[in-house]
Amino acid sequence: GENVEQHPSTLSVQEGDSAVIKCTYSDSASNYFPWYKQELGKRPQLIIDIRSNVGEKKDQRIAVTLNKTAKHFSLHITETQPEDSAVYFCAASNFGNEKLTFGTGTRLTIIP
Amino acid sequence: NAGVTQTPKFRVLKTGQSMTLLCAQDMNHEYMYWYRQDPGMGLRLIHYSVGEGTTAKGEVPDGYNVSRLKKQNFLLGLESAAPSQTSVYFCASSYSIRTSGNSYEQYFGPGTRLTVT
Repeated sequence: GENVEQHPSTLSVQEGDSAVIKCTYSDSASNYFPWYKQELGKRPQLIIDIRSNVGEKKDQRIAVTLNKTAKHFSLHITETQPEDSAVYFCAASNFGNEKLTFGTGTRLTIIP
Repeated sequence: NAGVTQTPKFRVLKTGQSMTLLCAQDMNHEYMYWYRQDPGMGLRLIHYSVGEGTTAKGEVPDGYNVSRLKKQNFLLGLESAAPSQTSVYFCASSYSIRTSGNSYEQYFGPGTRLTVT
């Protein structure tokens, strides 16, 4: 089955700087890659996703890039703000497989 | 819309006791999932369902059973609780690939914190 590895496990960034979280996946058939954000004590929520037919997607301060050849994808957050502090999970799926395989999460702390 | 709800929010069990966690969604989603979340291990899929009356095993199904008798409900059962099942349990739901249009988002419930002593 699919295996998703996520790095780093913790990340501290000065407010206003950029943060990058990286994930690798094992199943070359995977074609859907979402990112979820989980604030302390809250439920995970989708923040951005990308499909394998595109290499990059942006939504305001967040962007995701995908390298299918290397089987890795990354989350980029620019101009970080205190409300970006949370745990971020990457995931991978193959359409028709109905399941997401999640990474182990990255705890992002924004330092004021 | 309430979205995805879970009952109960907290529970403490003794080893060997049984319980059922209830998940309900009002978004007419076909797919429903049960995950457990443990520190440093992310979200691991226990069981899932692609429609009423159907269930399938996920990554960590041992010690759990599920049922989906109604489209809007997905029940997770622990027949004989063990300390290793101490965790936060999340239910999620989503549209199927066929009916999702452009959204494959999984919507999560608020979670159930279970402690087994």
